[in-house]
Amino acid sequence: SQQGEEDPQALSIQEGENATMNCSYKTSINNLQWYRQNSGRGLVHLILIRSNEREKHSGRLRVTLDTSKKSSSLLITASRAADTASYFCATAASGTYKYIFGTGTRLKVLA
Amino acid sequence: DVKVTQSSRYLVKRTGEKVFLECVQDMDHENMFWYRQDPGLGLRLIYFSYDVKMKEKGDIPEGYSVSREKKERFSLILESASTNQTSMYLCASSPWTGGHTEAFFGQGTRLTVV
Repeated sequence: SQQGEEDPQALSIQEGENATMNCSYKTSINNLQWYRQNSGRGLVHLILIRSNEREKHSGRLRVTLDTSKKSSSLLITASRAADTASYFCATAASGTYKYIFGTGTRLKVLA
Repeated sequence: DVKVTQSSRYLVKRTGEKVFLECVQDMDHENMFWYRQDPGLGLRLIYFSYDVKMKEKGDIPEGYSVSREKKERFSLILESASTNQTSMYLCASSPWTGGHTEAFFGQGTRLTVV
């Protein structure tokens, strides 16, 4: 399986704290994306980082990519209760257009 | 806004039944995908399609087939449903823009096979 993995599997923090989750993958990639899933719903795209980029920001989100280590991290700053969700990374392998998802991190932000 | 619509939110079927899960997108996207999601396993790709009547197997195609007769519609078929196919099924679509694009997801179908 080409599936990636997120770490940690679950994370519980207080509102206002930062949340960091990591993703490792196996193949050469075109880009890496992060998605959020609220309980029992579909996934919503958060941010995309291309293989030639090292860092990207979007609002309270910061994503880094290290292609030499085949890993990425997602940082959510100043977390809110509404950030409670599962977060998935997805990779688009070089030369393909299919998305391979990781196993996800369940984030719980306590008010 | 892109809309991906799955025909049912919840479905209960009996073992051995033939099951059809329908997905429709309204943004003229070339690519469509079917995933299943199970606790601890994340999303696993079942099949994807990059054009009408074109399909490719994903990581777990066994027990499933697909149909794409029109660009906007991608159907997942469980030929003979089994209890181990109880899962959340997610459909997604994306445009072909050289690969740097997001996938848009439907709301999911929670299928229970009894």
